[in-house]
Amino acid sequence: KQEVTQIPAALSVPEGENLVLNCSFTDSAIYNLQWFRQDPGKGLTSLLLIQSSQREQTSGRLNASLDKSSGRSTLYIAASQPGDSATYLCAVRTVIAGGTSYGKLTFGQGTILTVHP
Amino acid sequence: SAVISQKPSRDICQRGTSLTIQCQVDSQVTMMFWYRQQPGQSLTLIATANQGSEATYESGFVIDKFPISRPNLTFSTLTVSNMSPEDSSIYLCSVGTDEKLFFGSGTQLSVL
Repeated sequence: KQEVTQIPAALSVPEGENLVLNCSFTDSAIYNLQWFRQDPGKGLTSLLLIQSSQREQTSGRLNASLDKSSGRSTLYIAASQPGDSATYLCAVRTVIAGGTSYGKLTFGQGTILTVHP
Repeated sequence: SAVISQKPSRDICQRGTSLTIQCQVDSQVTMMFWYRQQPGQSLTLIATANQGSEATYESGFVIDKFPISRPNLTFSTLTVSNMSPEDSSIYLCSVGTDEKLFFGSGTQLSVL
């Protein structure tokens, strides 16, 4: 059974700081990994999707890396802004049926990020 | 991408009653997913809803408690039946493929 853990549970940083959020998973047979952002009272917004064959993906100030063999992913946020304050969720989709199909997403519990001015 | 409208956005309900949550998508999709996010917890998949067939429920979730309708390719409902305070959660509708998932804004449910 896939388990996804995110560290730290909460993080508070001053504006402008670069930061790293961590995600680890127990089963390395993954199909892809996705990072989401969740704002209070709102749904989830997809930030980055990394396929199992990829090492990283970048979008603006965000960079996500994937090390499948060690079961880890990181989300790097450069030059953080107060608008980045949200909960960041990592979700892993596992491979099933001998690698020919994929299973459901397993979510981590999230990292609550606060960026203060 | 897909735009998902979910209603209601929040509700406060009495124990023993039922609430139906609606999810409308701006395009036709094969599968729709319903998730629950309990306070301080991660998202847990309740069921997958395909148009024209019964929903597939995950372990720990049953149709009598969480009946789902999927009358067409753009709409689905989830009912939380005979509610108890333990059902207080955010319920989220989602659509997508293996590539990406798109989520509605969620329904914040509080059961007194």
